[in-house]
Amino acid sequence: KNQVEQSPQSLIILEGKNCTLQCNYTVSPFSNLRWYKQDTGRGPVSLTIMTFSENTKSNGRYTATLDADTKQSSLHITASQLSDSASYICVVSDRGSTLGRLYFGRGTQLTVWP
Amino acid sequence: EADIYQTPRYLVIGTGKKITLECSQTMGHDKMYWYQQDPGMELHLIHYSYGVNSTEKGDLSSESTVSRIRTEHFPLTLESARPSHTSQYLCASSEWGQTGGPYEQYFGPGTRLTVT
Repeated sequence: KNQVEQSPQSLIILEGKNCTLQCNYTVSPFSNLRWYKQDTGRGPVSLTIMTFSENTKSNGRYTATLDADTKQSSLHITASQLSDSASYICVVSDRGSTLGRLYFGRGTQLTVWP
Repeated sequence: EADIYQTPRYLVIGTGKKITLECSQTMGHDKMYWYQQDPGMELHLIHYSYGVNSTEKGDLSSESTVSRIRTEHFPLTLESARPSHTSQYLCASSEWGQTGGPYEQYFGPGTRLTVT
């Protein structure tokens, strides 16, 4: 069964600190992995997309890593800001269909305190 | 900032009413999607479309229906709302990606539906 598991479920950190969110997946065949940021009451916004051949990608203070062999990914947030408080969703796409099916994790709810 | 819009943003309605959730995008994308998301849970695909006059059901069974008469417009309709339909509904659109390559999927702000 194709699944995407994220940990931790929730995380509280102080402003300025770094944190790392984890994603494990069993989706096969694998096409790409995305990290989205979803603010409360809003739609998800893409942070990074990585294909099989990429093992790291950065977007400002966000750095995603991918280990396709172990089927693990992480999202590292550097020097956190209050505006980073949101749900971070790991999404994996298969290549088994024209649609490029997306499998969503439940997200990690990050809260940044001043 | 993605040019995809949803209205209304919030809707509280009584059981048995017919509702239509609107979704429009100005990016000329052929592919559009509807997702359902409950608090703390993952997004579930309920409908998608490859283009005009194309509609397909997603993974999560839904009593809603959709139509795609124009490229930019993908409304979702519930003929008779029930409390079990209370959820957040997210619309998204994307281009056709290169074969085997990723495509960016853009989400609207969502509609929070509450059926009393």
